[in-house]
Amino acid sequence: QVQLQESGPGLVKPSQTLSLTCTVSGGSISSGGYYWSWIRQHPGKGLEWIGYIYYSGSTYYNPSLKSRVTISVDTSKNQFSLKLSSVTAADTAVYYCARYCGGDCHDAFDIWGQGTMVTVSS
Amino acid sequence: QSALTQPASVSGSPGQSITISCTGTSSDVGGYNYVSWYQQHPGKAPKLMIYDVSNRPSGVSNRFSGSKSGNTASLTISGLQAEDEADYYCSSYTSSSRGVVFGGGTKLTVL
Repeated sequence: QVQLQESGPGLVKPSQTLSLTCTVSGGSISSGGYYWSWIRQHPGKGLEWIGYIYYSGSTYYNPSLKSRVTISVDTSKNQFSLKLSSVTAADTAVYYCARYCGGDCHDAFDIWGQGTMVTVSS
Repeated sequence: QSALTQPASVSGSPGQSITISCTGTSSDVGGYNYVSWYQQHPGKAPKLMIYDVSNRPSGVSNRFSGSKSGNTASLTISGLQAEDEADYYCSSYTSSSRGVVFGGGTKLTVL
């Protein structure tokens, strides 16, 4: 059974870069048909798709965040990562990693990590 | 890309049925059958309830059903139970970014 687990600092200073990693267990990140995703949720607010990456390295980003976001994959470690640059207090949120099953699959986020709270503050 | 439009809140009594709407555009909801619905309880990660407009993943109660007409998708929960009280989010593939867009979320209260 595939499981996802986010890891990274819970506190980031303004103007710095937020870095998170999602470790995939119980399955291979290189399996075709899956897009490995980052989603965030501001406190008390709704879900916001940040972007996703295919195991081959193709990336797709939310246009509103595209200039600050980089998602990468490390198939040797079965991990994928998020970097969000020039953060402000508006980037304070719970960050989720999730698996988007596309193609002949669910076309949906079928597996989620538990989420990790990231606070941007000096 | 703009968020899909959902009502902020809906409510119903145990045993009743409720419907949550999700309105988008021809670039997302109306253009593709890639609409999904998620249930989120406080402090928990979202859970997939419906995918591809009207399909239920294994293990999801058949009290949950989905449909779509034009640019609007809908989630119906029949035979409401106390455990259904949660936030519900729709999402859709969007051609504008070749990514995903979410709705703003709907808080379901079981009276």
